[in-house]
Amino acid sequence: QKEVEQNSGPLSVPEGAIASLNCTYSDRGSQSFFWYRQYSGKSPELIMSIYSNGDKEDGRFTAQLNKASQYVSLLIRDSQPSDSATYLCAVNAGNTPLVFGKGTRLSVIA
Amino acid sequence: DVKVTQSSRYLVKRTGEKVFLECVQDMDHENMFWYRQDPGLGLRLIYFSYDVKMKEKGDIPEGYSVSREKKERFSLILESASTNQTSMYLCASRTGGPETQYFGPGTRLLVL
Repeated sequence: QKEVEQNSGPLSVPEGAIASLNCTYSDRGSQSFFWYRQYSGKSPELIMSIYSNGDKEDGRFTAQLNKASQYVSLLIRDSQPSDSATYLCAVNAGNTPLVFGKGTRLSVIA
Repeated sequence: DVKVTQSSRYLVKRTGEKVFLECVQDMDHENMFWYRQDPGLGLRLIYFSYDVKMKEKGDIPEGYSVSREKKERFSLILESASTNQTSMYLCASRTGGPETQYFGPGTRLLVL
């Protein structure tokens, strides 16, 4: 059974701080890794994808991948109240359905 | 921009009714997916399709069926709606392989 694990939270950070979200996965054959943001009552929207070990930066967001340790993380710098949402980690191993974690709820306190 | 649309944002149905949820994507994606999302249970895959007229069961197919007659359209059918099918239903599509998956806006279904 392929699994993706995330801490459900809530993770509370003050405005302007760095939020760190973590995810571990069980399938060593996983090839692609995604972070989705989901606001309450809305559908998930993609914010980052990463395919190789190391860091990938996009604005205030940095995705980090370590395939040897089977974890992927998302850092949000200068957190804003508008970043308050549930963040879903998703993992894929080829042409198979994405495996999603249950998400981490982030709360940014003004 | 990729666009995935779903036929309704909100739907209220009676127990025993046949319910059709439609999903259309405009990016010529091969793969399409139907999920339901419930508090505490996360996203659960109901059915998916890798090509026209093809379908595969996901993790929770019981009580559902699907139809994919055209590449851009993937329909989810609740043969006889029950109250435990009250949920948020999300459609998604992608090109194929380990590529990015895009979601539609979702349909919140209430079965009374």
